Amino acid sequence: DSGVTQTPKHLITATGQRVTLRCSPRSGDLSVYWYQQSLDQGLQFLIHYYNGEERAKGNILERFSAQQFPDLHSELNLSSLELGDSALYFCASNPVDTEAFFGQGTRLTVV
Amino acid sequence: GIQVEQSPPDLILQEGANSTLRCNFSDSVNNLQWFHQNPWGQLINLFYIPSGTKQNGRLSATTVATERYSLLYISSSQTTDSGVYFCAVGSSGTYKYIFGTGTRLKVLA
Repeated sequence: DSGVTQTPKHLITATGQRVTLRCSPRSGDLSVYWYQQSLDQGLQFLIHYYNGEERAKGNILERFSAQQFPDLHSELNLSSLELGDSALYFCASNPVDTEAFFGQGTRLTVV
Repeated sequence: GIQVEQSPPDLILQEGANSTLRCNFSDSVNNLQWFHQNPWGQLINLFYIPSGTKQNGRLSATTVATERYSLLYISSSQTTDSGVYFCAVGSSGTYKYIFGTGTRLKVLA
């Protein structure tokens, strides 16, 4: 158990819908990272938050947004879903500039 | 940005064989990790190794930061070692890890 909790584990939804993925970092970690793993793209960095503030942005679509709340949990919102958004979405946390730990992921299927 | 290349892309071994996986990166890094993604999709931390050598049971890793590569050694492989092995690197101030494309390992009984 990495200590990073992601919910839900699985999500099936229709095209055009909106979903929210949730992540709780390890106790004491202020950083949260979101990654997308699709079959043909590998693990792609989406966005990083540190103590509530956005620190870095990767290849995140405009239809996607994220935030980190005062209790340090984070949510990734995906809207106007397309078939191509089907993927494993991972959250990770770490103390500053050290080993990162990944959650079990949320498997999103868009039908 | 930093480019991360892993080789070989695919590897098939008989149980009990040894193997070496390589990760090359294009710029200096402060962080480097090896992960094993099991068939259920979980990313399992193997090593945090920005430099030097570490060992954990049948697995060991070496990073030569000045030459921009890292090696993961698997000895006496078992079927449970099957999966995809990823190298991920980060540099100070970039606030993210860049993943390589992975090595897909299959160990046959």
